[in-house]
Amino acid sequence: DAEITQSPRHKITETGRQVTLACHQTWNHNNMFWYRQDLGHGLRLIHYSYGVQDTNKGEVSDGYSVSRSNTEDLPLTLESAASSQTSVYFCASSQGALTGELFFGEGSRLTVL
Amino acid sequence: AQSVTQLGSHVSVSEGALVLLRCNYSSSVPPYLFWYVQYPNQGLQLLLKYTSAATLVKGINGFEAEFKKSETSFHLTKPSAHMSDAAEYFCAVSEDNQGGKLIFGQGTELSVKP
Repeated sequence: DAEITQSPRHKITETGRQVTLACHQTWNHNNMFWYRQDLGHGLRLIHYSYGVQDTNKGEVSDGYSVSRSNTEDLPLTLESAASSQTSVYFCASSQGALTGELFFGEGSRLTVL
Repeated sequence: AQSVTQLGSHVSVSEGALVLLRCNYSSSVPPYLFWYVQYPNQGLQLLLKYTSAATLVKGINGFEAEFKKSETSFHLTKPSAHMSDAAEYFCAVSEDNQGGKLIFGQGTELSVKP
């Protein structure tokens, strides 16, 4: 069955370190997204991509970067982790226009000490 | 700019009672609207979506939502709550016809009492 997987599921890191969260989907979806979930804020869009070599900033993109070198993967990098980036991160993908349905991974819980 | 407001961060109902979760949106163009559910330690799953067809939308697990343009609302209802409905529910809006760029509300945690 097609799926979307995130790794690692849990990570603890220190302030200032670079961290990369992986996201891999086997649906062959063009669209991929990274959200962060924080209490009281719901899900906020970090970055998104509509295809290979396409990346766009979301509403909370500062301190994060993504790259899209193939259809299946959209890794999220925190260049210099900060305590404010402690959160649960969700990757999602969608098929395309007007379907609206996002398929979510199970999340990556990141703690920055 | 589009936005979503969910009224009530926590709703508690008794098993068998009506579930009503409120969502109001702001959008400059006809919106696409969604409800997602999140069970503990899982990602989100689509419950239902409105994409300008019927204003009353039926979803999975007995949930439905009605799009009311005059009230800019998209409230989620279920006639009779079940213990398994306990979860967090998110309303979301999209104006992007390329699909999937959603703006989410803050979420409403639903508790169901026996």
